[in-house]
Amino acid sequence: DAGVTQSPTHLIKTRGQQVTLRCSPKSGHDTVSWYQQALGQGPQFIFQYYEEEERQRGNFPDRFSGHQFPNYSSELNVNALLLGDSALYLCASSEDRGYTFGSGTRLTVV
Amino acid sequence: GDSVTQMEGPVTLSEEAFLTINCTYTATGYPSLFWYVQYPGEGLQLLLKATKADDKGSNKGFEATYRKETTSFHLEKGSVQVSDSAVYFCARIQGAQKLVFGQGTRLTINP
Repeated sequence: DAGVTQSPTHLIKTRGQQVTLRCSPKSGHDTVSWYQQALGQGPQFIFQYYEEEERQRGNFPDRFSGHQFPNYSSELNVNALLLGDSALYLCASSEDRGYTFGSGTRLTVV
Repeated sequence: GDSVTQMEGPVTLSEEAFLTINCTYTATGYPSLFWYVQYPGEGLQLLLKATKADDKGSNKGFEATYRKETTSFHLEKGSVQVSDSAVYFCARIQGAQKLVFGQGTRLTINP
């Protein structure tokens, strides 16, 4: 079982650019959540997808958007990148409250 | 809103010492509680969990008991090892859909 797979592992972008991060959930998991973890902080909930729809959203601006595909994989898109968007982005898949996290994508905005 | 508060770190101990990392939560109702561990350069791994009052979660020598009366879920281990060095996060389920995390406690164990 591959667990939760995220790509890429590292990414460097320039302010104002757009970025897409990808997540493949653990086999059998149909719900995907995204978290932002700034350096030295705990993860903050961005949003959750279930049945290809956004089910719940945290306190993040509309620049953050997502998508879930029929195979349950998911993308996180961030537009108009700011320096403050630099963080580790974690994907978690779940089934019946059993959460499994990926290793994350380290995004650096310069 | 509902939150999770952890003791501030960093925490540095010698090998075989006793470990306690405090965690308290605010909540309406009775959330499920978790401890996650994050090793350098990695994502989060579930360490243990408890889903109702007085439940004790345990794994790899770590334990935590869900205390409703004190709204706490303190992490303990009787004898730590160098390999336990990591960042530990206390978390709770909010609304059955999202995890709310504490700020994390960095633990360093010296040989």
